[in-house]
Amino acid sequence: GDSVTQMEGPVTLSEEAFLTINCTYTATGYPSLFWYVQYPGEGLQLLLKATKADDKGSNKGFEATYRKETTSFHLEKGSVQVSDSAVYFCALSDGWQAGTALIFGKGTTLSVSS
Amino acid sequence: DAGVTQSPTHLIKTRGQHVTLRCSPISGHKSVSWYQQVLGQGPQFIFQYYEKEERGRGNFPDRFSARQFPNYSSELNVNALLLGDSALYLCASSLREDNEQFFGPGTRLTVL
Repeated sequence: GDSVTQMEGPVTLSEEAFLTINCTYTATGYPSLFWYVQYPGEGLQLLLKATKADDKGSNKGFEATYRKETTSFHLEKGSVQVSDSAVYFCALSDGWQAGTALIFGKGTTLSVSS
Repeated sequence: DAGVTQSPTHLIKTRGQHVTLRCSPISGHKSVSWYQQVLGQGPQFIFQYYEKEERGRGNFPDRFSARQFPNYSSELNVNALLLGDSALYLCASSLREDNEQFFGPGTRLTVL
């Protein structure tokens, strides 16, 4: 079945460092891909999405490009802030946008220090 | 506008008991989905409901059931609780079954 694999954490960075969190997927169809963020004590928030190959999702300085040839959707940010400390989940869905079941990776904890 | 709300926030039960978790979607949203998030793992899909009908079910035992009411709120029921059912249960709502899902803060269930 469909699945998502993302890099193990925790990832510890200093403020203004460059961030990459790797995500690869396995899917039989043409899924939509997402990054969600979970701040301590809160629910999941959609960070960005891409619905077809070569699409680039971006939000709040974060970017990810849907690479069908490498089945990847790596999350990047050029300069992280302390406020970016959270757990990041890569996810896919076979439905349009974020419909039907979302399949999540295990999550990567990011800790940014000043 | 209020986001997705869930109740209760925390719950402690013992093995063998039954539990009901509640979710109120964002106003106007007609689809509700339930996910289980075990500590240290990503959320796993349990159910999706749209217009009061079940539209999807994940790989969970029959002890798990859900329903959606005419006002689009939803309940998740779990019977014969096991220690392994301890998790954060997340509810998400969307306008339709094929739209972006907005998540609530979750209900933390502890089974002793």
